[in-house]
Amino acid sequence: DSGVTQTPKHLITATGQRVTLRCSPRSGDLSVYWYQQSLDQGLQFLIQYYNGEERAKGNILERFSAQQFPDLHSELNLSSLELGDSALYFCASSVELAANTGELFFGEGSRLTVL
Amino acid sequence: AQSVTQLDSHVSVSEGTPVLLRCNYSSSYSPSLFWYVQHPNKGLQLLLKYTSAATLVKGINGFEAEFKKSETSFHLTKPSAHMSDAAEYFCVVSSGGYNKLIFGAGTRLAVHP
Repeated sequence: DSGVTQTPKHLITATGQRVTLRCSPRSGDLSVYWYQQSLDQGLQFLIQYYNGEERAKGNILERFSAQQFPDLHSELNLSSLELGDSALYFCASSVELAANTGELFFGEGSRLTVL
Repeated sequence: AQSVTQLDSHVSVSEGTPVLLRCNYSSSYSPSLFWYVQHPNKGLQLLLKYTSAATLVKGINGFEAEFKKSETSFHLTKPSAHMSDAAEYFCVVSSGGYNKLIFGAGTRLAVHP
Protein backbone atom coordinates (compact mmCIF):
# COMPACT_ATOMS: atom_id res chain seq x y z
CA ASP A 1 0.00 0.00 0.00
CA SER A 2 1.55 3.27 -1.20
CA GLY A 3 -0.53 5.47 1.08
CA VAL A 4 -2.05 7.33 -1.89
CA THR A 5 -5.81 6.93 -2.17
CA GLN A 6 -7.75 7.48 -5.36
CA THR A 7 -11.51 7.47 -5.83
CA PRO A 8 -13.46 6.20 -7.62
CA LYS A 9 -11.62 3.07 -8.76
CA HIS A 10 -13.89 2.64 -11.75
CA LEU A 11 -16.15 5.08 -13.54
CA ILE A 12 -18.34 4.60 -16.59
CA THR A 13 -19.93 7.61 -18.21
CA ALA A 14 -21.16 8.93 -21.53
CA THR A 15 -19.63 11.29 -24.06
CA GLY A 16 -20.15 14.95 -23.26
CA GLN A 17 -20.34 14.36 -19.52
CA ARG A 18 -18.10 15.70 -16.75
CA VAL A 19 -16.39 13.70 -14.01
CA THR A 20 -14.21 14.44 -11.02
CA LEU A 21 -11.42 12.17 -9.85
CA ARG A 22 -10.13 12.53 -6.33
CA CYS A 23 -6.70 11.89 -4.83
CA SER A 24 -5.50 11.90 -1.25
CA PRO A 25 -1.69 11.99 -1.08
CA ARG A 26 0.49 10.25 1.47
CA SER A 27 0.55 11.95 4.82
CA GLY A 28 3.14 14.73 4.70
CA ASP A 29 3.56 14.79 0.92
CA LEU A 30 3.13 18.26 -0.57
CA SER A 31 3.45 17.37 -4.28
CA VAL A 32 0.64 15.77 -6.23
CA TYR A 33 1.01 14.62 -9.83
CA TRP A 34 -1.63 13.43 -12.26
CA TYR A 35 -0.83 10.95 -15.03
CA GLN A 36 -2.94 9.43 -17.78
CA GLN A 37 -2.23 5.87 -18.93
CA SER A 38 -3.73 4.63 -22.17
CA LEU A 39 -2.82 1.82 -24.55
CA ASP A 40 -1.90 4.12 -27.42
CA GLN A 41 -0.20 6.98 -25.51
CA GLY A 42 1.36 5.13 -22.59
CA LEU A 43 1.91 7.09 -19.39
CA GLN A 44 1.55 10.81 -19.94
CA PHE A 45 2.21 13.51 -17.35
CA LEU A 46 -0.74 15.86 -17.00
CA ILE A 47 -0.09 18.32 -14.18
CA GLN A 48 1.65 18.85 -10.85
CA TYR A 49 0.64 20.78 -7.76
CA TYR A 50 2.87 21.60 -4.83
CA ASN A 51 1.35 22.86 -1.59
CA GLY A 52 -1.72 24.16 -3.33
CA GLU A 53 -0.02 25.82 -6.30
CA GLU A 54 0.27 24.58 -9.86
CA ARG A 55 3.96 23.93 -10.59
CA ALA A 56 4.14 22.09 -13.89
CA LYS A 57 1.92 21.28 -16.82
CA GLY A 58 2.27 18.43 -19.25
CA ASN A 59 -0.03 17.16 -21.95
CA ILE A 60 -3.22 18.27 -20.24
CA LEU A 61 -6.15 19.16 -22.47
CA GLU A 62 -8.02 22.42 -22.00
CA ARG A 63 -11.13 20.37 -21.17
CA PHE A 64 -9.27 19.06 -18.12
CA SER A 65 -8.48 21.00 -14.98
CA ALA A 66 -7.14 20.22 -11.55
CA GLN A 67 -6.70 21.79 -8.16
CA GLN A 68 -5.11 21.03 -4.83
CA PHE A 69 -6.98 22.00 -1.71
CA PRO A 70 -5.63 23.31 1.64
CA ASP A 71 -5.78 19.80 3.11
CA LEU A 72 -3.54 18.76 0.15
CA HIS A 73 -6.01 16.45 -1.52
CA SER A 74 -6.38 17.00 -5.23
CA GLU A 75 -9.13 16.70 -7.80
CA LEU A 76 -8.89 16.22 -11.54
CA ASN A 77 -11.91 17.47 -13.46
CA LEU A 78 -12.57 16.09 -16.92
CA SER A 79 -15.31 17.74 -18.97
CA SER A 80 -16.93 17.35 -22.40
CA LEU A 81 -15.72 13.79 -22.32
CA GLU A 82 -14.78 12.02 -25.52
CA LEU A 83 -14.29 8.33 -26.25
CA GLY A 84 -10.54 8.93 -26.40
CA ASP A 85 -10.49 10.07 -22.79
CA SER A 86 -11.05 6.49 -21.68
CA ALA A 87 -7.91 5.65 -19.71
CA LEU A 88 -6.44 4.89 -16.34
CA TYR A 89 -5.74 8.08 -14.41
CA PHE A 90 -3.03 7.89 -11.78
CA CYS A 91 -2.30 10.23 -8.96
CA ALA A 92 1.16 10.23 -7.40
CA SER A 93 2.58 12.13 -4.47
CA SER A 94 6.01 12.98 -3.14
CA VAL A 95 7.64 14.98 -0.41
CA GLU A 96 9.91 16.80 -2.82
CA LEU A 97 9.02 19.56 -5.23
CA ALA A 98 11.28 18.06 -7.87
CA ALA A 99 10.19 14.71 -9.27
CA ASN A 100 13.72 13.69 -10.15
CA THR A 101 15.14 13.86 -6.65
CA GLY A 102 12.91 11.46 -4.82
CA GLU A 103 10.32 8.77 -5.16
CA LEU A 104 6.84 9.20 -6.49
CA PHE A 105 4.23 7.13 -4.68
CA PHE A 106 1.40 6.11 -6.98
CA GLY A 107 -2.19 5.33 -6.18
CA GLU A 108 -3.94 2.40 -7.80
CA GLY A 109 -5.62 4.59 -10.35
CA SER A 110 -9.11 5.52 -11.48
CA ARG A 111 -10.25 3.66 -14.58
CA LEU A 112 -12.49 5.89 -16.70
CA THR A 113 -14.59 4.40 -19.46
CA VAL A 114 -16.42 6.79 -21.78
CA LEU A 115 -19.21 5.19 -23.82
CA ALA B 1 14.80 16.92 -25.74
CA GLN B 2 14.78 13.98 -23.38
CA SER B 3 13.35 10.63 -24.38
CA VAL B 4 13.49 7.00 -23.35
CA THR B 5 13.16 3.85 -25.42
CA GLN B 6 12.44 0.43 -24.01
CA LEU B 7 13.75 -1.99 -26.59
CA ASP B 8 11.41 -4.91 -25.82
CA SER B 9 7.67 -4.69 -25.31
CA HIS B 10 7.52 -8.26 -23.97
CA VAL B 11 10.12 -10.45 -22.29
CA SER B 12 9.51 -14.04 -21.22
CA VAL B 13 11.82 -15.98 -18.91
CA SER B 14 11.73 -19.16 -16.88
CA GLU B 15 11.75 -19.00 -13.10
CA GLY B 16 15.31 -19.05 -11.79
CA THR B 17 16.88 -17.65 -14.98
CA PRO B 18 18.33 -14.14 -15.39
CA VAL B 19 16.23 -11.13 -16.34
CA LEU B 20 17.40 -8.38 -18.70
CA LEU B 21 15.11 -5.46 -19.56
CA ARG B 22 16.70 -2.97 -21.92
CA CYS B 23 16.40 0.81 -21.87
CA ASN B 24 18.11 3.51 -23.91
CA TYR B 25 17.73 7.17 -23.17
CA SER B 26 18.38 10.47 -24.86
CA SER B 27 19.27 13.51 -22.86
CA SER B 28 21.13 16.74 -23.51
CA TYR B 29 22.53 16.79 -19.98
CA SER B 30 23.21 14.33 -17.17
CA PRO B 31 19.86 12.75 -16.56
CA SER B 32 18.18 11.20 -13.58
CA LEU B 33 16.97 7.71 -14.49
CA PHE B 34 14.51 5.41 -12.79
CA TRP B 35 12.88 2.02 -13.10
CA TYR B 36 9.30 1.63 -11.88
CA VAL B 37 7.28 -1.59 -11.73
CA GLN B 38 3.52 -1.97 -12.13
CA HIS B 39 1.89 -5.18 -10.98
CA PRO B 40 -1.56 -6.02 -12.36
CA ASN B 41 -4.26 -3.67 -11.11
CA LYS B 42 -1.77 -1.78 -8.96
CA GLY B 43 -0.05 1.56 -9.05
CA LEU B 44 3.58 2.02 -9.99
CA GLN B 45 6.34 1.39 -7.48
CA LEU B 46 9.93 2.65 -7.61
CA LEU B 47 12.49 -0.13 -8.10
CA LEU B 48 15.63 1.99 -8.25
CA LYS B 49 17.00 5.35 -9.32
CA TYR B 50 20.21 6.80 -10.71
CA THR B 51 21.07 10.41 -9.92
CA SER B 52 24.75 10.75 -10.93
CA ALA B 53 26.30 8.87 -8.03
CA ALA B 54 27.45 5.25 -8.49
CA THR B 55 26.81 3.92 -11.98
CA LEU B 56 25.67 0.53 -10.68
CA VAL B 57 22.45 1.03 -8.81
CA LYS B 58 20.86 -1.59 -6.58
CA GLY B 59 17.14 -1.61 -6.03
CA ILE B 60 14.49 -3.58 -4.27
CA ASN B 61 13.72 -7.26 -4.78
CA GLY B 62 17.20 -8.07 -6.11
CA PHE B 63 17.05 -5.81 -9.16
CA GLU B 64 19.91 -3.63 -10.27
CA ALA B 65 20.70 -1.36 -13.20
CA GLU B 66 23.88 0.01 -14.69
CA PHE B 67 24.17 3.51 -16.11
CA LYS B 68 26.39 3.51 -19.22
CA LYS B 69 26.86 6.99 -20.55
CA SER B 70 28.83 5.88 -23.62
CA GLU B 71 25.97 3.61 -24.66
CA THR B 72 23.18 5.88 -23.32
CA SER B 73 21.72 2.80 -21.67
CA PHE B 74 20.21 1.95 -18.30
CA HIS B 75 19.36 -1.75 -18.49
CA LEU B 76 17.60 -3.51 -15.62
CA THR B 77 18.83 -6.93 -14.52
CA LYS B 78 18.12 -9.60 -11.94
CA PRO B 79 20.16 -12.80 -11.53
CA SER B 80 17.23 -15.11 -10.89
CA ALA B 81 13.59 -14.47 -11.77
CA HIS B 82 10.74 -15.25 -9.41
CA MET B 83 7.12 -15.77 -10.34
CA SER B 84 6.28 -12.63 -8.36
CA ASP B 85 8.44 -10.57 -10.75
CA ALA B 86 5.80 -10.89 -13.47
CA ALA B 87 4.70 -7.29 -14.07
CA GLU B 88 5.17 -4.32 -16.36
CA TYR B 89 8.41 -2.37 -16.00
CA PHE B 90 8.89 1.26 -16.95
CA CYS B 91 12.17 3.03 -17.61
CA VAL B 92 11.88 6.73 -16.76
CA VAL B 93 14.05 9.78 -17.46
CA SER B 94 13.74 13.21 -15.96
CA SER B 95 13.06 15.96 -18.43
CA GLY B 96 14.67 19.36 -18.61
CA GLY B 97 11.97 20.47 -16.23
CA TYR B 98 12.89 18.92 -12.90
CA ASN B 99 9.37 17.98 -12.05
CA LYS B 100 8.42 16.22 -15.24
CA LEU B 101 9.25 12.55 -15.72
CA ILE B 102 9.14 10.88 -19.13
CA PHE B 103 8.05 7.24 -19.06
CA GLY B 104 9.02 4.60 -21.57
CA ALA B 105 6.36 2.49 -23.25
CA GLY B 106 6.91 -0.33 -20.77
CA THR B 107 8.16 -3.92 -20.94
CA ARG B 108 5.85 -6.68 -19.86
CA LEU B 109 7.79 -9.44 -18.09
CA ALA B 110 6.32 -12.94 -18.01
CA VAL B 111 7.86 -15.58 -15.74
CA HIS B 112 7.13 -19.24 -16.46
CA PRO B 113 7.52 -22.16 -14.04
